[in-house]
Order: sequence, then structure tokens, then C-alpha cells
Amino acid sequence: NAGVMQNPRHLVRRRGQEARLRCSPMKGHSHVYWYRQLPEEGLKFMVYLQKENIIDESGMPKERFSAEFPKEGPSILRIQQVVRGDSAAYFCASSPQGLAFLEQYFGPGTRLTVT
Amino acid sequence: EDKVVQSPLSLVVHEGDTVTLNCSYEVTNFRSLLWYKQEKKAPTFLFMLTSSGIEKKSGRLSSILDKKELFSILNITATQTGDSAVYLCAVEAMYNFNKFYFGSGTKLNVKP
Repeated sequence: NAGVMQNPRHLVRRRGQEARLRCSPMKGHSHVYWYRQLPEEGLKFMVYLQKENIIDESGMPKERFSAEFPKEGPSILRIQQVVRGDSAAYFCASSPQGLAFLEQYFGPGTRLTVT
Repeated sequence: EDKVVQSPLSLVVHEGDTVTLNCSYEVTNFRSLLWYKQEKKAPTFLFMLTSSGIEKKSGRLSSILDKKELFSILNITATQTGDSAVYLCAVEAMYNFNKFYFGSGTKLNVKP
């Protein structure tokens, strides 16, 4: 089991460009969580998805950010028209069952730098 | 508003010292409290606590939860330089789905 995979590991975008972050959960996991870690801050929840459904997006900014977890393929976190303040590490975690699991398994993160 | 507060924010100790990290929370629909260790990569799971007063132990690390006073502590005995990391506390809340609230972390620096 390869664990949770995220790519790219590092992403550099100019202001105004789009950033696409990918997360492949562990095999057998159908629940994905996205977190953002700003410099010198802790992890902040962004969005929780199951296959083809957004369960909770209360932590996601209302504009420019979107997430999906299609039936086939990885979960995608999309940031449109990036700004410098979007520079952060974005972590994805997966779990086998959202309602009764033991722990989340984190991916290595994608470090986004906006220049 | 649900929140998780960790203290201290940072800590510098010498090898061999014992440290205690604190996590207090105000979270409705509490289900569990989790501790993670984060080095220069993704957090790695340490403990999950659901019941008060039951100590979880793994090597030199141990943790306990007090659901009445709404806090948890993480103890590390005989610290080593490899223990240097950010220690994150997270609280799982149960609605019709589960949701996690993370503290800002305690940055531990163990000097030789």
C-alpha cells in the first residue's frame, strides 16, 4: 500500500494563475480531507469529501477555491487566480470510513509558492 | 466557536529532559482527541484518546485525556534530539460526519 500520494510536491505559480493540487488516497479509502498549513501556523481544515460528494466545505474560502473527488481518479483542490496569501503547505488525508475510523493518514503535502 | 489551544507554543530543552505538552479544547460533540508529530513533512499519528483517565503509552511518549476539564497532555521522557518537531493536537467532533479541529502546535527543540 503506497500510502496517501500528493502531487506535485512543490508548485510555483505567479499571481493570477491557477493551481491544481492532487491527492490519491490510500487504497480502499473513500474519504478525503484537505488541510492548509500557513507558515508558523497549525493545520486548518478546508474540506471533507467522499467519492463524488462534498460533505463539509466550511473551512474553504468562498471564492477561488474548489475541490472535487470524482468517482475515478484523485481528489483535486483547485485554486484560481492565486494570490501571495495562498502560499502554504496543503495536506491531504484519507480515511477508510468517515464515521468510525481510528486515524487519518496524511500525504506528504504540496508546498505552493505564489510569486 | 469550537477551538483547540496548545501550550506552550514553543519549548527548548536538553537531551534527557522530560517535557509535558498541553492541549485544551472547547469542541461540541467531542468524539476523540488525537496527537500528531510533524517534522519537515506530513504529520504522523501518535495517539488517539477517547476516554478520560486512561493513559496511552508508546515508548517514551505517553498521553492522557481529561474530558471533564477538557484537556490532554503529551509527555515525553528522556528526550532525544530526534524528538524535535511540532506536536499537533486535534479534536474530532461528531456531527452527521466527523470534523477535525487542530491546535496551532507546540514546537519542541531538543538540544544535545
